[in-house]
Amino acid sequence: GNSVTQMEGPVTLSEEAFLTINCTYTATGYPSLFWYVQYPGEGLQLLLKATKADDKGSNKGFEATYRKETTSFHLEKGSVQVSDSAVYFCALSDSVIQGAQKLVFGQGTRLTINP
Amino acid sequence: NAGVTQTPKFQVLKTGQSMTLQCAQDMNHNSMYWYRQDPGMGLRLIYYSASEGTTDKGEVPNGYNVSRLNKREFSLRLESAAPSQTSVYFCASSGRQGNNQPQHFGDGTRLSIL
Repeated sequence: GNSVTQMEGPVTLSEEAFLTINCTYTATGYPSLFWYVQYPGEGLQLLLKATKADDKGSNKGFEATYRKETTSFHLEKGSVQVSDSAVYFCALSDSVIQGAQKLVFGQGTRLTINP
Repeated sequence: NAGVTQTPKFQVLKTGQSMTLQCAQDMNHNSMYWYRQDPGMGLRLIYYSASEGTTDKGEVPNGYNVSRLNKREFSLRLESAAPSQTSVYFCASSGRQGNNQPQHFGDGTRLSIL
């Protein structure tokens, strides 16, 4: 079946550092890809998405490019802030059944930014 | 601006007890979902409901039942709780059809089974 693999955490960086969180996937067909973020004590929120090869999703300074040739969707940010501390999940849309979207999630990467 | 509301936020049960987790959304979404989140394993789909009146199994349905009470509400029931069901449970909903629409999540229910 389809699967998502993220780099293991936790990741700790200093403020203004460059961030990369790796994500690779295994899938049949051409799934949509997502990054969700979970702040402490909250549910997941969509951070960005890409629906086809070479698409770049971006939001709040974060970017990720859908790379079909390497089956990857790495998350990057040029200069992180303390407020970016959270758990980040990579996910793919496994299938759509009667309008319901079945997502497959990676295991999550905990990011801590120190001032 | 409620979005997806889950109750309760925390619960402790003894093995063998039953419990229903409640979820309601106010975004007029057709589809709703229940996930469990365990350390190092991401989120796994328990059950989902594509529309009012339909429910289907996800990846890890054993030990759970669901009810799509109406378009707004989707409940998850543990008939006989087991320690392996200790987890954080998230409800989510999504709107228009298609595989690139985001899911909206509640804040979760942290459930401990002793």
